Amino acid sequence: SAVISQKPSRDICQRGTSLTIQCQVDSQVTMMFWYRQQPGQSLTLIATANQGSEATYESGFVIDKFPISRPNLTFSTLTVSNMSPEDSSIYLCSVEGRDTGELFFGEGSRLTVL
Amino acid sequence: GNSVTQMEGPVTLSEEAFLTINCTYTATGYPSLFWYVQYPGEGLQLLLKATKADDKGSNKGFEATYRKETTSFHLEKGSVQVSDSAVYFCALNKPSGSARQLTFGSGTQLTVLP
Repeated sequence: SAVISQKPSRDICQRGTSLTIQCQVDSQVTMMFWYRQQPGQSLTLIATANQGSEATYESGFVIDKFPISRPNLTFSTLTVSNMSPEDSSIYLCSVEGRDTGELFFGEGSRLTVL
Repeated sequence: GNSVTQMEGPVTLSEEAFLTINCTYTATGYPSLFWYVQYPGEGLQLLLKATKADDKGSNKGFEATYRKETTSFHLEKGSVQVSDSAVYFCALNKPSGSARQLTFGSGTQLTVLP
Protein backbone atom coordinates (compact mmCIF):
# COMPACT_ATOMS: atom_id res chain seq x y z
CA SER A 1 0.00 0.00 0.00
CA ALA A 2 0.98 3.64 -0.27
CA VAL A 3 0.44 6.53 2.10
CA ILE A 4 -0.42 9.76 0.34
CA SER A 5 -0.53 13.17 1.99
CA GLN A 6 -2.15 16.19 0.42
CA LYS A 7 -1.98 19.85 1.37
CA PRO A 8 -4.05 21.89 1.86
CA SER A 9 -6.93 19.72 3.01
CA ARG A 10 -9.32 22.55 2.30
CA ASP A 11 -9.25 26.18 1.29
CA ILE A 12 -11.55 29.02 0.40
CA CYS A 13 -10.31 31.07 -2.53
CA GLN A 14 -11.27 34.23 -4.34
CA ARG A 15 -12.25 34.26 -7.98
CA GLY A 16 -9.30 34.92 -10.28
CA THR A 17 -6.64 33.61 -7.93
CA SER A 18 -4.58 30.43 -8.25
CA LEU A 19 -3.92 27.71 -5.72
CA THR A 20 -1.30 24.97 -5.68
CA ILE A 21 -2.06 21.58 -4.13
CA GLN A 22 0.81 19.42 -2.97
CA CYS A 23 0.92 15.62 -2.96
CA GLN A 24 3.55 13.58 -1.14
CA VAL A 25 3.83 9.77 -1.42
CA ASP A 26 5.74 7.61 1.04
CA SER A 27 7.35 5.54 -1.72
CA GLN A 28 8.75 6.12 -5.19
CA VAL A 29 6.17 5.76 -7.94
CA THR A 30 6.37 6.17 -11.68
CA MET A 31 2.97 7.71 -12.28
CA MET A 32 0.84 9.97 -10.15
CA PHE A 33 -2.73 10.84 -11.04
CA TRP A 34 -4.79 13.93 -10.33
CA TYR A 35 -8.58 13.62 -10.10
CA ARG A 36 -11.39 16.08 -9.63
CA GLN A 37 -14.61 15.29 -7.78
CA GLN A 38 -17.24 17.95 -8.34
CA PRO A 39 -20.16 18.15 -5.92
CA GLY A 40 -22.41 15.14 -6.40
CA GLN A 41 -20.34 13.90 -9.33
CA SER A 42 -18.04 11.00 -10.01
CA LEU A 43 -14.26 11.22 -10.04
CA THR A 44 -12.80 12.58 -13.24
CA LEU A 45 -9.17 12.09 -14.19
CA ILE A 46 -7.47 15.42 -14.91
CA ALA A 47 -3.98 14.26 -15.83
CA THR A 48 -1.22 11.74 -15.33
CA ALA A 49 2.09 13.07 -14.02
CA ASN A 50 5.30 11.24 -14.89
CA GLN A 51 8.61 12.21 -13.39
CA GLY A 52 10.86 13.89 -15.91
CA SER A 53 8.27 14.57 -18.57
CA GLU A 54 5.24 16.73 -19.16
CA ALA A 55 1.96 15.62 -17.71
CA THR A 56 -0.59 13.93 -19.94
CA TYR A 57 -3.96 15.66 -19.80
CA GLU A 58 -7.36 14.10 -20.37
CA SER A 59 -9.92 15.52 -22.73
CA GLY A 60 -11.35 18.76 -21.39
CA PHE A 61 -8.34 19.66 -19.24
CA VAL A 62 -5.45 21.87 -20.35
CA ILE A 63 -2.04 22.71 -18.98
CA ASP A 64 -2.70 26.45 -18.78
CA LYS A 65 -5.58 25.86 -16.39
CA PHE A 66 -4.09 22.95 -14.43
CA PRO A 67 -0.29 23.11 -14.56
CA ILE A 68 1.37 20.13 -12.91
CA SER A 69 4.86 19.63 -11.60
CA ARG A 70 6.59 16.32 -10.90
CA PRO A 71 10.07 17.13 -9.66
CA ASN A 72 10.83 13.66 -8.24
CA LEU A 73 9.37 10.19 -7.75
CA THR A 74 7.55 10.99 -4.49
CA PHE A 75 6.06 14.44 -5.03
CA SER A 76 3.73 16.32 -7.36
CA THR A 77 1.80 19.56 -7.40
CA LEU A 78 -1.38 20.59 -9.17
CA THR A 79 -2.19 24.26 -9.63
CA VAL A 80 -5.72 25.42 -10.29
CA SER A 81 -5.26 28.70 -12.15
CA ASN A 82 -7.50 31.73 -12.48
CA MET A 83 -10.18 30.06 -10.41
CA SER A 84 -13.91 30.51 -10.85
CA PRO A 85 -16.78 29.13 -8.75
CA GLU A 86 -17.04 26.23 -11.22
CA ASP A 87 -13.66 25.02 -9.98
CA SER A 88 -15.08 24.36 -6.52
CA SER A 89 -14.34 20.66 -6.11
CA ILE A 90 -12.37 18.08 -4.25
CA TYR A 91 -9.02 17.45 -5.92
CA LEU A 92 -7.45 14.07 -5.28
CA CYS A 93 -3.96 12.76 -5.80
CA SER A 94 -3.59 9.08 -6.54
CA VAL A 95 -1.02 6.38 -7.30
CA GLU A 96 -1.41 2.94 -8.74
CA GLY A 97 -1.24 -0.19 -6.63
CA ARG A 98 0.37 -3.45 -7.62
CA ASP A 99 -2.89 -4.96 -8.82
CA THR A 100 -4.39 -3.78 -12.07
CA GLY A 101 -6.92 -1.05 -11.51
CA GLU A 102 -6.14 -0.57 -7.83
CA LEU A 103 -5.55 3.02 -6.84
CA PHE A 104 -4.44 4.61 -3.58
CA PHE A 105 -5.75 8.08 -2.90
CA GLY A 106 -4.85 11.02 -0.77
CA GLU A 107 -7.50 12.48 1.51
CA GLY A 108 -8.29 15.15 -1.05
CA SER A 109 -8.17 18.93 -1.11
CA ARG A 110 -11.56 20.59 -0.92
CA LEU A 111 -11.53 23.94 -2.70
CA THR A 112 -14.33 26.48 -2.50
CA VAL A 113 -14.13 29.42 -4.87
CA LEU A 114 -16.18 32.48 -4.01
CA GLY B 1 -17.73 3.92 -23.99
CA ASN B 2 -17.60 2.55 -20.48
CA SER B 3 -19.97 3.80 -17.82
CA VAL B 4 -21.04 2.95 -14.28
CA THR B 5 -24.43 3.71 -12.78
CA GLN B 6 -24.89 3.64 -9.04
CA MET B 7 -27.90 3.76 -6.83
CA GLU B 8 -28.51 7.33 -5.82
CA GLY B 9 -28.11 8.26 -2.22
CA PRO B 10 -28.04 9.19 0.44
CA VAL B 11 -28.87 5.89 2.12
CA THR B 12 -29.66 5.89 5.83
CA LEU B 13 -29.88 2.63 7.78
CA SER B 14 -30.07 1.56 11.37
CA GLU B 15 -27.25 -0.46 12.85
CA GLU B 16 -27.45 -4.20 12.03
CA ALA B 17 -29.66 -3.57 8.99
CA PHE B 18 -29.01 -5.26 5.64
CA LEU B 19 -27.30 -3.13 3.02
CA THR B 20 -27.53 -3.24 -0.74
CA ILE B 21 -26.02 -0.58 -2.99
CA ASN B 22 -26.82 -1.22 -6.63
CA CYS B 23 -24.26 -0.84 -9.38
CA THR B 24 -24.70 -1.58 -13.07
CA TYR B 25 -22.23 -1.03 -15.84
CA THR B 26 -21.85 -0.66 -19.57
CA ALA B 27 -18.62 -1.86 -21.11
CA THR B 28 -17.21 -3.73 -24.05
CA GLY B 29 -15.65 -7.07 -23.31
CA TYR B 30 -15.12 -8.28 -19.78
CA PRO B 31 -14.10 -5.48 -17.45
CA SER B 32 -12.74 -5.81 -13.95
CA LEU B 33 -15.08 -4.40 -11.31
CA PHE B 34 -14.28 -2.60 -8.07
CA TRP B 35 -15.85 -1.04 -5.01
CA TYR B 36 -14.00 1.82 -3.37
CA VAL B 37 -14.90 3.39 -0.03
CA GLN B 38 -14.22 6.90 1.24
CA TYR B 39 -14.51 7.34 5.00
CA PRO B 40 -15.01 10.88 6.33
CA GLY B 41 -11.84 12.93 6.02
CA GLU B 42 -9.94 10.19 4.22
CA GLY B 43 -9.02 9.30 0.66
CA LEU B 44 -10.71 6.58 -1.34
CA GLN B 45 -9.50 3.06 -0.67
CA LEU B 46 -10.15 -0.20 -2.44
CA LEU B 47 -12.80 -2.27 -0.64
CA LEU B 48 -13.12 -5.28 -2.94
CA LYS B 49 -12.85 -6.34 -6.55
CA ALA B 50 -13.79 -9.07 -9.04
CA THR B 51 -12.04 -9.71 -12.30
CA LYS B 52 -14.29 -12.20 -14.11
CA ALA B 53 -17.90 -13.28 -14.34
CA ASP B 54 -19.34 -15.02 -11.26
CA ASP B 55 -16.38 -13.96 -9.12
CA LYS B 56 -17.32 -12.76 -5.66
CA GLY B 57 -15.23 -10.05 -4.05
CA SER B 58 -15.38 -9.76 -0.28
CA ASN B 59 -13.80 -7.70 2.48
CA LYS B 60 -14.80 -6.45 5.95
CA GLY B 61 -18.14 -8.27 5.71
CA PHE B 62 -19.00 -6.65 2.36
CA GLU B 63 -19.60 -8.78 -0.72
CA ALA B 64 -20.26 -8.17 -4.39
CA THR B 65 -20.75 -10.71 -7.18
CA TYR B 66 -19.82 -10.03 -10.81
CA ARG B 67 -23.01 -10.75 -12.76
CA LYS B 68 -22.35 -10.63 -16.47
CA GLU B 69 -25.90 -11.52 -17.45
CA THR B 70 -27.29 -8.49 -15.64
CA THR B 71 -24.12 -6.35 -15.98
CA SER B 72 -24.24 -5.70 -12.26
CA PHE B 73 -21.93 -5.65 -9.24
CA HIS B 74 -24.18 -4.85 -6.28
CA LEU B 75 -22.55 -4.27 -2.90
CA GLU B 76 -24.08 -6.08 0.08
CA LYS B 77 -23.51 -6.42 3.79
CA GLY B 78 -25.63 -8.45 6.13
CA SER B 79 -25.34 -6.25 9.21
CA VAL B 80 -24.01 -2.71 8.94
CA GLN B 81 -22.24 -0.84 11.70
CA VAL B 82 -21.97 2.86 12.45
CA SER B 83 -18.35 2.67 11.34
CA ASP B 84 -19.51 1.71 7.82
CA SER B 85 -20.80 5.25 7.30
CA ALA B 86 -18.94 6.44 4.21
CA VAL B 87 -19.26 7.12 0.50
CA TYR B 88 -19.09 4.02 -1.71
CA PHE B 89 -17.93 4.15 -5.33
CA CYS B 90 -18.39 1.45 -7.93
CA ALA B 91 -15.77 1.39 -10.69
CA LEU B 92 -14.67 -0.64 -13.69
CA ASN B 93 -11.57 -1.11 -15.77
CA LYS B 94 -10.89 -3.09 -18.87
CA PRO B 95 -8.75 -6.20 -18.37
CA SER B 96 -5.10 -5.25 -17.93
CA GLY B 97 -6.13 -1.64 -18.19
CA SER B 98 -3.99 0.97 -16.54
CA ALA B 99 -5.25 2.91 -13.56
CA ARG B 100 -5.93 5.94 -15.72
CA GLN B 101 -8.62 3.94 -17.47
CA LEU B 102 -10.76 3.41 -14.38
CA THR B 103 -14.33 4.61 -14.74
CA PHE B 104 -16.08 5.55 -11.49
CA GLY B 105 -19.72 5.81 -10.56
CA SER B 106 -21.02 8.93 -8.85
CA GLY B 107 -20.81 7.49 -5.34
CA THR B 108 -23.44 6.58 -2.76
CA GLN B 109 -23.42 8.17 0.67
CA LEU B 110 -24.26 5.69 3.44
CA THR B 111 -25.12 6.79 6.96
CA VAL B 112 -25.64 4.17 9.65
CA LEU B 113 -27.46 5.31 12.79
CA PRO B 114 -26.90 3.70 16.20
